[in-house]
Amino acid sequence: DGGITQSPKYLFRKEGQNVTLSCEQNLNHDAMYWYRQDPGQGLRLIYYSQIVNDFQKGDIAEGYSVSREKKESFPLTVTSAQKNPTAFYLCASSIRVSNYGYTFGSGTRLTVV
Amino acid sequence: KQEVTQIPAALSVPEGENLVLNCSFTDSAIYNLQWFRQDPGKGLTSLLLIQSSQREQTSGRLNASLDKSSGRSTLYIAASQPGDSATYLCAALLYSGGSNYKLTFGKGTLLTVNP
Repeated sequence: DGGITQSPKYLFRKEGQNVTLSCEQNLNHDAMYWYRQDPGQGLRLIYYSQIVNDFQKGDIAEGYSVSREKKESFPLTVTSAQKNPTAFYLCASSIRVSNYGYTFGSGTRLTVV
Repeated sequence: KQEVTQIPAALSVPEGENLVLNCSFTDSAIYNLQWFRQDPGKGLTSLLLIQSSQREQTSGRLNASLDKSSGRSTLYIAASQPGDSATYLCAALLYSGGSNYKLTFGKGTLLTVNP
């Protein structure tokens, strides 16, 4: 079945450590996105990518970095510059960045210890 | 700046009741509106996608309507079941310049269906 796979499901980060969240899709979608979800808040866009080797900052990109070397993969690195990284991270994809629906992965819960 | 509001924030109903969830958006120039379901600790599952040229979409017991002129969408759930208990999110897609589009989410409605 086609879909989006996020790993790991749970991730623990120590202070000052960089961690990378994986997102892989086999839907042949061009566009991919990373969102952050905090309790009581709507989803907020971190980064998005329309095509391979191209990505754009979203509303809350500070402290995060991404790469898009393959169409299927869009990993997110949470750097030590992100001061409040504890959250639920969701990856999504769409056929392209236009008038199409989004498909979401199952999420990664990141906790700072 | 597009803002999406969902009312109520939480709703508790007895099993079998028909119910309506509301979503409003401030910028009527949307391209589409999507309703999602989220179970605790899980990702989002797409329920219905309404294009701007459409007025409603139906899937099983779910019916979503869109009124761009008033900036409103509703999700109607017929004959609710305990398995419908989840958070329901609406999201509006807006053109943001160049080749960019932005999906703005509401904060969701937490639905509890009691047996």
